[in-house]
Amino acid sequence: GNSVTQMEGPVTLSEEAFLTINCTYTATGYPSLFWYVQYPGEGLQLLLKATKADDKGSNKGFEATYRKETTSFHLEKGSVQVSDSAVYFCALTNDNDYKLSFGAGTTVTVRA
Amino acid sequence: SQTIHQWPATLVQPVGSPLSLECTVEGTSNPNLYWYRQAAGRGLQLLFYSVGIGQISSEVPQNLSASRPQDRQFILSSKKLLLSDSGFYLCAWRIQGARGYTFGSGTRLTVV
Repeated sequence: GNSVTQMEGPVTLSEEAFLTINCTYTATGYPSLFWYVQYPGEGLQLLLKATKADDKGSNKGFEATYRKETTSFHLEKGSVQVSDSAVYFCALTNDNDYKLSFGAGTTVTVRA
Repeated sequence: SQTIHQWPATLVQPVGSPLSLECTVEGTSNPNLYWYRQAAGRGLQLLFYSVGIGQISSEVPQNLSASRPQDRQFILSSKKLLLSDSGFYLCAWRIQGARGYTFGSGTRLTVV
């Protein structure tokens, strides 16, 4: 079955630091990959996605590249802000699968 | 435009009491609907999904049930809540055949 393994947190950074959150997956076929973000007290919002190998998803300064050879979809941001403090979830789904499989989530705290 | 409504936002219920959480979707027809739960310090777990009226699939055995009485309405219920039912419940929808999911704002349930 599908599974997502995500770097455990919590992660604490200073403003303008570089952020990387590792995500690897196991899936059959060619899954679509997602990063969702959950700000304090809120639901989930789609941050970015990639639907095929070598695609790069990007949004709000965040990027992630779909690496089929390493089955990875690591999230990166070059210079974080306090407003980036949130829980980040890596997720995947297959075309014929009804389910979105999530990683455990990584809590990121950015200090001024 | 397509929107998803989930209520209530927070709920405190005593052990043994019933539960009813409602989720409605606007602006689309025949969506796939999902209930996820996020327990404290843990990732997201798929509880139920539905591909049509009256069609419910359960992912994990538990104290909860789901119903879909109308095309765009998805209800999560329990006859008697347990302490372990506490968590953050998220409703989501997806257009059938599409890869993107949209999440509601969530309900934080505390069972006391």
